Amino acid sequence: DAGITQSPRHKVTETGTPVTLRCHQTENHRYMYWYRQDPGHGLRLIHYSYGVKDTDKGEVSDGYSVSRSKTEDFLLTLESATSSQTSVYFCAISVSGQGRSDEQYFGPGTRLTVT
Amino acid sequence: DQQVKQNSPSLSVQEGRISILNCDYTNSMFDYFLWYKKYPAEGPTFLISISSIKDKNEDGRFTVFLNKSAKHLSLHIVPSQPGDSAVYFCAASVGGSARQLTFGSGTQLTVLP
Repeated sequence: DAGITQSPRHKVTETGTPVTLRCHQTENHRYMYWYRQDPGHGLRLIHYSYGVKDTDKGEVSDGYSVSRSKTEDFLLTLESATSSQTSVYFCAISVSGQGRSDEQYFGPGTRLTVT
Repeated sequence: DQQVKQNSPSLSVQEGRISILNCDYTNSMFDYFLWYKKYPAEGPTFLISISSIKDKNEDGRFTVFLNKSAKHLSLHIVPSQPGDSAVYFCAASVGGSARQLTFGSGTQLTVLP
């Protein structure tokens, strides 16, 4: 258990409204990630963070922004939700340590529906 | 352009037999490969990994094989159990890339009792 929680777990929102998803970790890991999972696409990286206030774009970042003001929290914001952003969103952390440690550990996910 | 491909969306295997899940990649810069398992309504869980300096890694019933020349990796599960029924994702990363993972589209494994 990597101590990752996501909130909310489920959300239904209307097109054009702003939405913020929260990822919280309890173990002070440096790297955090946001993915979306869609049928036929696996998991695709949206944004990631390598420290407080240090973030960068992933493969599918358009329409999304992130913020990390504290080590333990990584927020994903949809400024104006669209139906194409209906998906399951997963947060992940990468465990740092000696040697190669690319293993990522995932939260339980947030199912977002945009109507 | 998918850099990591899982061409079989589904696989059914009898309990006790071997399950073989396959994954192909196109980016020759990938040097670390991972398999994840995902149950419905849960996050993916890390299963096993392999570095490009190896061609095989074992962990209990799970073995990952890497064929760099063919840009192909496979996950063997022996013996398969009904609890192994899940979606399996392969993933790959490039050293020094902030540990970004590129995932395949997944294979649904069903182990029949």
